[in-house]
Amino acid sequence: GQQVMQIPQYQHVQEGEDFTTYCNSSTTLSNIQWYKQRPGGHPVFLIQLVKSGEVKKQKRLTFQFGEAKKNSSLHITATQTTDVGTYFCGSGTYKYIFGTGTRLKVLA
Amino acid sequence: DAGVTQSPTHLIKTRGQQVTLRCSPKSGHDTVSWYQQALGQGPQFIFQYYEEEERQRGNFPDRFSGHQFPNYSSELNVNALLLGDSALYLCASSTGTKNSPLHFGNGTRLTVT
Repeated sequence: GQQVMQIPQYQHVQEGEDFTTYCNSSTTLSNIQWYKQRPGGHPVFLIQLVKSGEVKKQKRLTFQFGEAKKNSSLHITATQTTDVGTYFCGSGTYKYIFGTGTRLKVLA
Repeated sequence: DAGVTQSPTHLIKTRGQQVTLRCSPKSGHDTVSWYQQALGQGPQFIFQYYEEEERQRGNFPDRFSGHQFPNYSSELNVNALLLGDSALYLCASSTGTKNSPLHFGNGTRLTVT
């Protein structure tokens, strides 16, 4: 079945440094959605990408969908302590498959 | 505008027992999905309910069953609990259209002893 792999599993950065997490699939994805889960919280929807090569920005966050629609990335510029949490990518139409997530820690 | 609400927030059960978890979707949403999230893992899809019927199901045994009511709220039932069923159970509502973003509740933390 469809699987979505995410790397890295963990990332510790100094506040102000950049951060990137990658999402990869062996099959073509119809879409990619990104969610953020704060410690002790629930996943919160960030954005959806559906077009090949699509790039979307939300303030310091940049989301990309690969040309082959098999990978995606989330890049955070100049991390802040409020960025702490686990970032998940997911894909699907009705049944969503999620990656294992990248846990981001930001050191002040 | 109420978001997704789940009850209870925490639950402790013994192996072999049965449990029922409840979810009320976000206002305006008619579709409810259930996910199991083990510690340090991503959410795993259990099933989705739309128009009071199970529309899709993940790789979970028949011990996991559900129901959706006419007001779109939903229940997740797990029978014959195993230690491995200990996890955070997340309910997510959506509008039911393809690719509709999921709105998650705070989850129910189930511990099986």
